[in-house]
Amino acid sequence: QSALTQPPSASGSPGQSVTISCTGGNSDFAGYKFVSWYQQHPGKAPKLILFDVSKRPSGVPDRFSGSQSGNTVSLTVSGLQAEDEADYFCCSLAGGNTFGMVFGGGTKVTVL
Amino acid sequence: QGQLVQSGAEVKKPGASVKVACKASGYSFIDYYIHWVRQAPGLGLEWMGWINPKAGNTNYAQKFQDRVTINMDTSISTVYLEVSSLRSDDTAVFYCVRNLYPGTYVGYFQNWGQGTLVTVSS
Repeated sequence: QSALTQPPSASGSPGQSVTISCTGGNSDFAGYKFVSWYQQHPGKAPKLILFDVSKRPSGVPDRFSGSQSGNTVSLTVSGLQAEDEADYFCCSLAGGNTFGMVFGGGTKVTVL
Repeated sequence: QGQLVQSGAEVKKPGASVKVACKASGYSFIDYYIHWVRQAPGLGLEWMGWINPKAGNTNYAQKFQDRVTINMDTSISTVYLEVSSLRSDDTAVFYCVRNLYPGTYVGYFQNWGQGTLVTVSS
């Protein structure tokens, strides 16, 4: 399974929005709906922030939203706050009936 | 809610094997698939495989099929990851993770272990 493609970095000022894309070929995405996103601060374990493309687990602020268009899924962080500075990873059910998962390469979000 | 506690850091020589333990508590162990994810220093997340504690079946990423074994001891609610023929580029933090939903291998990773650093160095 090849990694999903994410931009290496993104940035925005406090209060602004930033959108991170996650792109895969047909062999990477299985159905384009089994996608999750994770936030990771330095030295910490990742945290689930979105699943089923756009659903938020309990406790995740609604500033985090997800969408899908074609073979690209996106994470948008609205109203950027200092604590949103972190690495973000997408993850999908892999294609090809492998019954496995595949991650994106990760995006470093910087709050300017 | 569930908690996963992993065994401590390891230092291994190239060619050796390592076995990392992941003890689950606070939920019905057999109901949730456990996955393993690794992260090399400064790099991204890499999915390695999963085990279904109810049936004992496993599935591995093609990259790791020859060198990785995931097994478990249901009597102590513990899953193990064994990596053989270690190389220097296997140096990484290994995480066990539990799914959000029971009974499915689709990985929405809600509960993470604290991570186990495995250093491979001669």
